[in-house]
Amino acid sequence: TQLLEQSPQFLSIQEGENLTVYCNSSSVFSSLQWYRQEPGEGPVLLVTVVTGGEVKKLKRLTFQFGDARKDSSLHITAAQPGDTGLYLCAGAPGSNYKLTFGKGTLLTVNP
Amino acid sequence: DAGVIQSPRHEVTEMGQEVTLRCKPISGHNSLFWYRQTMMRGLELLIYFNNNVPIDDSGMPEDRFSAKMPNASFSTLKIQPSEPRDSAVYFCASSTQGQSNQPQHFGDGTRLSIL
Repeated sequence: TQLLEQSPQFLSIQEGENLTVYCNSSSVFSSLQWYRQEPGEGPVLLVTVVTGGEVKKLKRLTFQFGDARKDSSLHITAAQPGDTGLYLCAGAPGSNYKLTFGKGTLLTVNP
Repeated sequence: DAGVIQSPRHEVTEMGQEVTLRCKPISGHNSLFWYRQTMMRGLELLIYFNNNVPIDDSGMPEDRFSAKMPNASFSTLKIQPSEPRDSAVYFCASSTQGQSNQPQHFGDGTRLSIL
């Protein structure tokens, strides 16, 4: 079983601060997805990265896929209360349907 | 556009009772997934359907769990008999293709509590 470890598990910061959360594995993934989940809702896809070293930006969010395709990071610049939520990474060992989810980082941005 | 629709949103029942969770995937999506989410184990895939056919049920905990997809617009997950350890949030998700790099669209989940 391929495991994805996310860190930190919990993060509480003030509005305007920057932060980085991590998703690590000892296994290689063909692609990796990041989702955000808000209380009482299902996860919503933010981005998919497929190439080692790939960097994608989504407004104030920057996603990077490690060169070896074993890890990924999510950096948020000038965090806002609306960024509050559970950030989940999900890796795919191959091209088939199966995703392995990490347990997530619960981010709280205080006004 | 309507997303994935799950019902009920909340279910509280006593152990031993039968529980049926329902899901309507996004129209046109041919892949459907049932997940269970807990604090301890995170999101776990229970079963995957492609074109209404169960492809992978290796995540189904035990024989008490069963899932069906009688047509492209409806799926059920049934637990009989239910036990307290089944308490979790159950999500249904759908996608256009059975490939891992395709986005999965999740419903808002059913929060199940077994007393």
